[in-house]
Amino acid sequence: DGGITQSPKYLFRKEGQNVTLSCEQNLNHDAMYWYRQDPGQGLRLIYYSQIVNDFQKGDIAEGYSVSREKKESFPLTVTSAQKNPTAFYLCASKGYGNQPQHFGDGTRLSIL
Amino acid sequence: GQNIDQPTEMTATEGAIVQINCTYQTSGFNGLFWYQQHAGEAPTFLSYNVLDGLEEKGRFSSFLSRSKGYSYLLLKELQMKDSASYLCAVRPQSGGSYIPTFGRGTSLIVHP
Repeated sequence: DGGITQSPKYLFRKEGQNVTLSCEQNLNHDAMYWYRQDPGQGLRLIYYSQIVNDFQKGDIAEGYSVSREKKESFPLTVTSAQKNPTAFYLCASKGYGNQPQHFGDGTRLSIL
Repeated sequence: GQNIDQPTEMTATEGAIVQINCTYQTSGFNGLFWYQQHAGEAPTFLSYNVLDGLEEKGRFSSFLSRSKGYSYLLLKELQMKDSASYLCAVRPQSGGSYIPTFGRGTSLIVHP
């Protein structure tokens, strides 16, 4: 079955440490997105990529970095510069035209 | 810019009907999505409206009025499993990148 997979489901970070969240899709979608969700908040866009080897900053990109070396993969690195990283992170992909976004099951990141 | 408003929380009784409203003010409009999100899980697509009127899909219906900047999601014959957050997302005008803006979500609590 086609889908979008995020790993790990839970992740813990020590102060000053970078961590990378994985996002893989086998839907053959060109566009991929990373969102952050805090309690009682909507989804806020961190980064997005419309095509391989290209990505753009979203509304809250500071303290995060991404790469898009393969169509299937869009990993997100939460750097030590992100001072409040505790949140639920969602990855999404989208096909052509008016298709809706498909979301992964999310990664919950916490600070030790 | 884009601004999307939804009620924060609603409660309803099993078997009843509930209407969740969404109002938006956007610089351009090319469709509105509704997603369902259970706690700690991925949002799942419910409906997409781009033209005025009502779209019915089983127990769920979605309505759009572009002139009023207004949409609602109607849930009939409520079940306990319908307890979830419902996210409204507006797709900006076409011609640019597809970056929907999400509302904060409406938490629906269904009680017996």
